[in-house]
Amino acid sequence: QQKVQQSPESLIVPEGGMASLNCTSSDRNVDYFWWYRQHSGKSPKMLMSIFSNGEKEEGRFTVHLNKASLHTSLHIRDSQPSDSALYLCAARSSNTNKVVFGTGTRLQVLP
Amino acid sequence: DPKIIQKPKYLVAVTGSEKILICEQYLGHNAMYWYRQSAKKPLEFMFSYSYQKLMDNQTASSRFQPQSSKKNHLDLQITALKPDDSATYFCASSQSSAETLYFGSGTRLTVL
Repeated sequence: QQKVQQSPESLIVPEGGMASLNCTSSDRNVDYFWWYRQHSGKSPKMLMSIFSNGEKEEGRFTVHLNKASLHTSLHIRDSQPSDSALYLCAARSSNTNKVVFGTGTRLQVLP
Repeated sequence: DPKIIQKPKYLVAVTGSEKILICEQYLGHNAMYWYRQSAKKPLEFMFSYSYQKLMDNQTASSRFQPQSSKKNHLDLQITALKPDDSATYFCASSQSSAETLYFGSGTRLTVL
């Protein structure tokens, strides 16, 4: 059974700082990663996805993927208090065609 | 304008009773899912359906039964409710299996 490990479990950054979140899959057949953000009391919403090696940037958010190590990271620059949320990483396995979620990183941005 | 509608938003039930959680999606998606999330456990996959057929079931208990009467509906019937079933239940959908998931706003179930 594929596992998706996220670190750290929780993270506190000052407003305007950089937040870096990590995610690694145990399944060598993973071919797609997603990052979801879930604000307190709300449902998860897809933030970014990546399937090619390298990086992808959208505004203040950058996602990196290293397929060899099955590792993806999400970086949030100029963090805002509104970025405070649970960040979930999800990975798809090409041989099982299943999406597995990690346990999340809880980010708190202090004003 | 929500595209995945879950009803009710909040639900309180007594131990031993039965409830049905409703989910309808208007995204034209072919795959639908149920997830559960509680303070004790992270987002937990329960069921996936594709074209109204059960694809995966990770719920050990038969007390949880998904019901798909239409392509864009996937309800969840829970029988013999226990306090441990208290959680927020999220319905989700994707264009096809294992593509980007879109979540409904959830049903928060409390079992007394």
